[in-house]
Amino acid sequence: DQQVKQNSPSLSVQEGRISILNCDYTNSMFDYFLWYKKYPAEGPTFLISISSIKDKNEDGRFTVFLNKSAKHLSLHIVPSQPGDSAVYFCAASRSNSGGSNYKLTFGKGTLLTVNP
Amino acid sequence: DTGVSQDPRHKITKRGQNVTFRCDPISEHNRLYWYRQTLGQGPEFLTYFQNEAQLEKSRLLSDRFSAERPKGSFSTLEIQRTEQGDSAMYLCASSSPGQEPLNYGYTFGSGTRLTVV
Repeated sequence: DQQVKQNSPSLSVQEGRISILNCDYTNSMFDYFLWYKKYPAEGPTFLISISSIKDKNEDGRFTVFLNKSAKHLSLHIVPSQPGDSAVYFCAASRSNSGGSNYKLTFGKGTLLTVNP
Repeated sequence: DTGVSQDPRHKITKRGQNVTFRCDPISEHNRLYWYRQTLGQGPEFLTYFQNEAQLEKSRLLSDRFSAERPKGSFSTLEIQRTEQGDSAMYLCASSSPGQEPLNYGYTFGSGTRLTVV
């Protein structure tokens, strides 16, 4: 049962344009969401996160939007740069009884290619 | 801060052999995690340590798998009697409660790629 779904295996955009990566989840108990970027032969690198009490979080060129009613989040990259070409993973977590979030459930990833 | 270090980077082994991987977390991090990533999938949670205590194990971690963190510093992941289905990237990550890990995410290592032939 895939609780976090990234339905687009790949996305190609032109340099300078907006990249929009989408993610859907099924578990309404998730209360924290993260995006990771992964280059080949490297581990995932944290990009940006959002709590379920917010609907938007922005960090430089990266903005994450959360629509809880639709169980959907998206990552916007503006403007896109060739160095952004990587696999992007959406991940989610839920608080345990002690209030700690530590276990991440990942989607399958979306390969973003930014063309010069 | 040298990041999370994993050794070896690559391991090829014959089916039925035992393998052991090592993870050295960021020195001040007391939380350590193991994940597994197979081809075309995202990382899947395997287990979690807080200091030397193993607090959670995924059902993915069959009895052929064992993880330890004896002194609350480095960790090892051993797979006994390897099977071809064990071929994957094994990722280690660490975090510190003071970092509010989910504001800043974990720090992942570069992984150990296991190929079972």
